[in-house]
Amino acid sequence: EAQVTQNPRYLITVTGKKLTVTCSQNMNHEYMSWYRQDPGLGLRQIYYSMNVEVTDKGDVPEGYKVSRKEKRNFPLILESPSPNQTSLYFCASSFTRGATGELFFGEGSRLTVL
Amino acid sequence: KQEVTQIPAALSVPEGENLVLNCSFTDSAIYNLQWFRQDPGKGLTSLLLIQSSQREQTSGRLNASLDKSSGRSTLYIAASQPGDSATYLCAVKTGANSKLTFGKGITLSVRP
Repeated sequence: EAQVTQNPRYLITVTGKKLTVTCSQNMNHEYMSWYRQDPGLGLRQIYYSMNVEVTDKGDVPEGYKVSRKEKRNFPLILESPSPNQTSLYFCASSFTRGATGELFFGEGSRLTVL
Repeated sequence: KQEVTQIPAALSVPEGENLVLNCSFTDSAIYNLQWFRQDPGKGLTSLLLIQSSQREQTSGRLNASLDKSSGRSTLYIAASQPGDSATYLCAVKTGANSKLTFGKGITLSVRP
């Protein structure tokens, strides 16, 4: 089944404790992206990657890191989480070349930073 | 900078009603437009994708139209059901390699 898988789905952590949210897709998509969703602010892009070893900042990259060492994986790293990073996070992927560009989303990861 | 607006933010209708959800965007030079559905606490599910060269797309009871020149798209839901209750978001892609710009969504409630 074609899907985007995120882990963990739920996480409660404390300020300053490094964490990684993994994202994996099995559709051979070139493009992958991370979003955060907050009430009243909608979906905001954190980072995106057009292909392996190519990453770029989105609208709200501060406090986050990403890497794209393999095509299927795009982990989101919070080196020193703070309470303002409490949010619902989504990973998404799509083709970029010769296709429709339809974006597929993971189920989301709800992060609480105390 | 592309801006996407969805008004109203919430809508409540009785079951069986046909309804239209609106999406407007400021930059008409788009690559495609995508409608998503999001259930509370869940991920986004793609409903319909309209390429810039297309005028509409249909899937079951859903029909999405696109008018680039006026910067508008509509999602038509026929014979609404309580199971259609969710938040509906539209997103616009401006350029093949650019990001999507999302609207804030319309929360639809269909009353039995």
